[in-house]
Amino acid sequence: SQTIHQWPATLVQPVGSPLSLECTVEGTSNPNLYWYRQAAGRGLQLLFYSVGIGQISSEVPQNLSASRPQDRQFILSSKKLLLSDSGFYLCAWLQRGGYTFGSGTRLTVV
Amino acid sequence: DQQVKQNSPSLSVQEGRISILNCDYTNSMFDYFLWYKKYPAEGPTFLISISSIKDKNEDGRFTVFLNKSAKHLSLHIVPSQPGDSAVYFCAGHTQPRGEVGGSQGNLIFGKGTKLSVKP
Repeated sequence: SQTIHQWPATLVQPVGSPLSLECTVEGTSNPNLYWYRQAAGRGLQLLFYSVGIGQISSEVPQNLSASRPQDRQFILSSKKLLLSDSGFYLCAWLQRGGYTFGSGTRLTVV
Repeated sequence: DQQVKQNSPSLSVQEGRISILNCDYTNSMFDYFLWYKKYPAEGPTFLISISSIKDKNEDGRFTVFLNKSAKHLSLHIVPSQPGDSAVYFCAGHTQPRGEVGGSQGNLIFGKGTKLSVKP
């Protein structure tokens, strides 16, 4: 079956610390993968998308980066977190006719 | 520039009545629109979509209407149920800049409308 996994579910990190959020998909190959962020009071903002290994497109300049080390793995990272990085991060996978989202990671930077 | 706007941050409806969620857009290049439903601490789940060449799509209690001339779409839920209480996101689908006929696309979301259905 086709599934998408995202972890951790919640994360509290101090300002200036690094970040690594992981997303993996199962049951497919060469998926198009996306990272979205929902900040408080705002909609879903596309951060990065990837159409294949090593291929990353950034939609919004920011303190974050993304990597696609394997076909079904998409990682969101930061070297030094800012308070403004707090939010709900969602990994998404484009399938025919629509998107499937992971369960999300609630990141609180303190 | 907010390409997809959901001007009502919240909506309260009585159980059994109709819920109408509205969405306006400015990008005429959107080729289809989607509605997602999101519960707290969960990822959004796909609800219903409509192609830009259609004006109506119905799926059970959910109907989406598209008015291209007004650049407006709406989601109707009838009858509303308490389990429908969630945040509803409207999204427009567009191809990435410079991509024509590509398999990937981008979604541009509105800020969401929180629907509360009261028993």
